[in-house]
Amino acid sequence: GENVEQHPSTLSVQEGDSAVIKCTYSDSASNYFPWYKQELGKRPQLIIDIRSNVGEKKDQRIAVTLNKTAKHFSLHITETQPEDSAVYFCAASSTGNQFYFGTGTSLTVIP
Amino acid sequence: DAGVIQSPRHEVTEMGQEVTLRCKPISGHNSLFWYRQTMMRGLELLIYFNNNVPIDDSGMPEDRFSAKMPNASFSTLKIQPSEPRDSAVYFCASRDRGPDGELFFGEGSRLTVL
Repeated sequence: GENVEQHPSTLSVQEGDSAVIKCTYSDSASNYFPWYKQELGKRPQLIIDIRSNVGEKKDQRIAVTLNKTAKHFSLHITETQPEDSAVYFCAASSTGNQFYFGTGTSLTVIP
Repeated sequence: DAGVIQSPRHEVTEMGQEVTLRCKPISGHNSLFWYRQTMMRGLELLIYFNNNVPIDDSGMPEDRFSAKMPNASFSTLKIQPSEPRDSAVYFCASRDRGPDGELFFGEGSRLTVL
């Protein structure tokens, strides 16, 4: 089955700096790569996703890049704010199948 | 739509008791997933259903866990007998039709087994 690895497990940045979280996957059949944000005590919620026919996608301060050849994808958050502090999960899925989640990155934005 | 609805939100029980967690997926979604989240193991997939049929239950820890989906709008996850190591947050999630549907999570059920 699919194996998704996520790094780093914890990340601290100063407010206004950028944060980058990286994930790798193993199954070349995976074609959908969402990112979820989970605030303390809350449920995971989708913040951005990318499909395998796209190399990069941006939504305001958040961007995701995908390298299918290398089987890795990354989340980029620019101009970080304290409310960006949360746990972020990457995931990989193939059509109609289950989602495989990374182990999560705890991001702390220091004011 | 009210989203994925889970109950109870919190459950405290004693070891050996039966626990039943309930989930109502978003109407029209044809896939339903049960996840368990702990600090040590992160988000673990326990079981998922497509069109009410269990597809992969390899994540179910042991025979003490069982899950059912009798119809498209309801699923249960049962633990019998419960043990302290079952303490976790259990999330139900559903996915809409289409090749790459977004996964929507419920608020979770926080289970504490004493």
